[in-house]
Amino acid sequence: EAGVAQSPRYKIIEKRQSVAFWCNPISGHATLYWYQQILGQGPKLLIQFQNNGVVDDSQLPKDRFSAERLKGVDSTLKIQPAKLEDSAVYLCASSPRPGLVFVDTQYFGPGTRLTVL
Amino acid sequence: RKEVEQDPGPFNVPEGATVAFNCTYSNSASQSFFWYRQDCRKEPKLLMSVYSSGNEDGRFTAQLNRASQYISLLIRDSKLSDSATYLCAVNTGTASKLTFGTGTRLQVTL
Repeated sequence: EAGVAQSPRYKIIEKRQSVAFWCNPISGHATLYWYQQILGQGPKLLIQFQNNGVVDDSQLPKDRFSAERLKGVDSTLKIQPAKLEDSAVYLCASSPRPGLVFVDTQYFGPGTRLTVL
Repeated sequence: RKEVEQDPGPFNVPEGATVAFNCTYSNSASQSFFWYRQDCRKEPKLLMSVYSSGNEDGRFTAQLNRASQYISLLIRDSKLSDSATYLCAVNTGTASKLTFGTGTRLQVTL
């Protein structure tokens, strides 16, 4: 079974530029998550989709970050404009079933390492 | 108080030692608990789920203490290959939302 795919793996941009990341979850997984992991910290949830609907985006800086999952499969996360503090690894994860009470296992992609200069 | 807290370490232990990590959580309504392993510059990978009755997988044992609101991970007979960062994750807020700790770094030495 193929894992979660992400691209690009690395990205270097200057502040105020825009950047987009792509994620393709494991086939059939209903729930997709985007996390931000700053060096030395644990992953922080930015947004959670169930199929193509947003379940939780409470920690997404909506003035500069946006995400979509139009057909309920792959997803893109965009930052516009980027700030220095956005330098981090952006991890995508997916899980197979909607977590009504208990959280289902999340499978992570390799991440995109973003450096903002 | 942070939602999920871990001692960042590093824990430096010799091969063959037993080492334990704790992770405290603040939301008494949390129902799901996990330990993930993260190697340097890699993505987190699920190590084990933590059940109310505890969970054992080979050299790894996870426990849940609801009264004191913490989970623990015990590694017996440490191997060099166990060197990694161990992240705990707890569901907080909505049912399927996970909050991760900062991770505990383990370094196993010869």
